[in-house]
Amino acid sequence: DAKTTQPPSMDCAEGRAANLPCNHSTISGNEYVYWYRQIHSQGPQYIIHGLKNNETNEMASLIITEDRKSSTLILPHATLRDTAVYYCIVRVREGAGSYQLTFGKGTKLSVIP
Amino acid sequence: DGGITQSPKYLFRKEGQNVTLSCEQNLNHDAMYWYRQDPGQGLRLIYYSQIVNDFQKGDIAEGYSVSREKKESFPLTVTSAQKNPTAFYLCASSIDRTDGGYTFGSGTRLTVV
Repeated sequence: DAKTTQPPSMDCAEGRAANLPCNHSTISGNEYVYWYRQIHSQGPQYIIHGLKNNETNEMASLIITEDRKSSTLILPHATLRDTAVYYCIVRVREGAGSYQLTFGKGTKLSVIP
Repeated sequence: DGGITQSPKYLFRKEGQNVTLSCEQNLNHDAMYWYRQDPGQGLRLIYYSQIVNDFQKGDIAEGYSVSREKKESFPLTVTSAQKNPTAFYLCASSIDRTDGGYTFGSGTRLTVV
């Protein structure tokens, strides 16, 4: 699987948009980008995933650059409950390879009142 | 409600004793996973099972064992051969091996003294 790079920590003011970047410059054409988050001492929670088009759901939006070498997770109106570690993961879509998710250290997002 | 149940939430054991962590899901998912998390670190894959009566080693399987006799259950045994067993253990499931939208349990924090 392609390796991802995320900043170790970020702050965001409550009510503002949180933009979390992820670099995956070695991503291949058959790999998805997944985002999860983990609130302290809980299990990770799936947020969103995409291949090459931008995606939006009730939790967040995912913007993937045209060359697919980076992506940004956007929380449109951050609340204190969004304080968590956010993981960006690249995973093979189909064919040979390991399907299992590999979690790095992620980005610790702190939402400030 | 459907979900994954891990029990107990906290577990204390003496060094040299084997201990079994429970993981049960009622989501009718085929695939199940065990991860280990150490403080400030990402998740590392211990074992995974794609279907009943089948399982494969993950990245850090040494000192652990699993079974998958029922679709709903995927218990993890931490044996005395595991040199540093104190950690936060997370169980997850997905519809099948190709599904990247994992559902995680709330975890078991194991402390060996």
